[in-house]
Amino acid sequence: QKEVEQDPGPLSVPEGAIVSLNCTYSNSAFQYFMWYRQYSRKGPELLMYTYSSGNKEDGRFTAQVDKSSKYISLFIRDSQPSDSATYLCAVMNRDDKIIFGKGTRLHILP
Amino acid sequence: EAGVTQSPTHLIKTRGQQATLRCSPISGHTSVYWYQQALGLGLQFLLWYDEGEERNRGNFPPRFSGRQFPNYSSELNVNALELEDSALYLCASSFTGTGGADTIYFGEGSWLTVV
Repeated sequence: QKEVEQDPGPLSVPEGAIVSLNCTYSNSAFQYFMWYRQYSRKGPELLMYTYSSGNKEDGRFTAQVDKSSKYISLFIRDSQPSDSATYLCAVMNRDDKIIFGKGTRLHILP
Repeated sequence: EAGVTQSPTHLIKTRGQQATLRCSPISGHTSVYWYQQALGLGLQFLLWYDEGEERNRGNFPPRFSGRQFPNYSSELNVNALELEDSALYLCASSFTGTGGADTIYFGEGSWLTVV
């Protein structure tokens, strides 16, 4: 079983829609849960991170972690064409390596 | 403040040759991570250096090696190149001992093409 599972997509949604991206992970010991955004031919940039369970909101983005079901989500409200990118979920423990999902390619259609 | 810088941006090598990729961390960062992003495989962890020592290694053959210099910059060497080594190689850096998720920053990567 992969440590982090993520549907690669592609996922195409119309502009203004709510986007839901999801991942599952296998090891209940992970402490940090992250979402990275990667534009084509660029390095990934940290979008959101959550320590332990719960929700975190930043503008149009909301990250959720459900440790009981080992499920992490990213919601994007009022999606924009500029949100078109690959979104990578990731997990880690403090002072350890980051383990990434394969990434979901998202297309926001104008 | 300069971010994580990687060189070269692009590199084309022939099968069997050696490739060397370089990474300069953010000033003050002492940890360097290397990842391989091959098409369809996501980011795969390669190596982690901290204070000059190799801290962890991913599931890659020994022909992938590296080192960290006293100024905390790092080098990734790939020997006996194979076609499947063609990928984007990403470097990230962070502070030692404060390794929360928000302290790790990635460079733009080095594209390696093996022909």
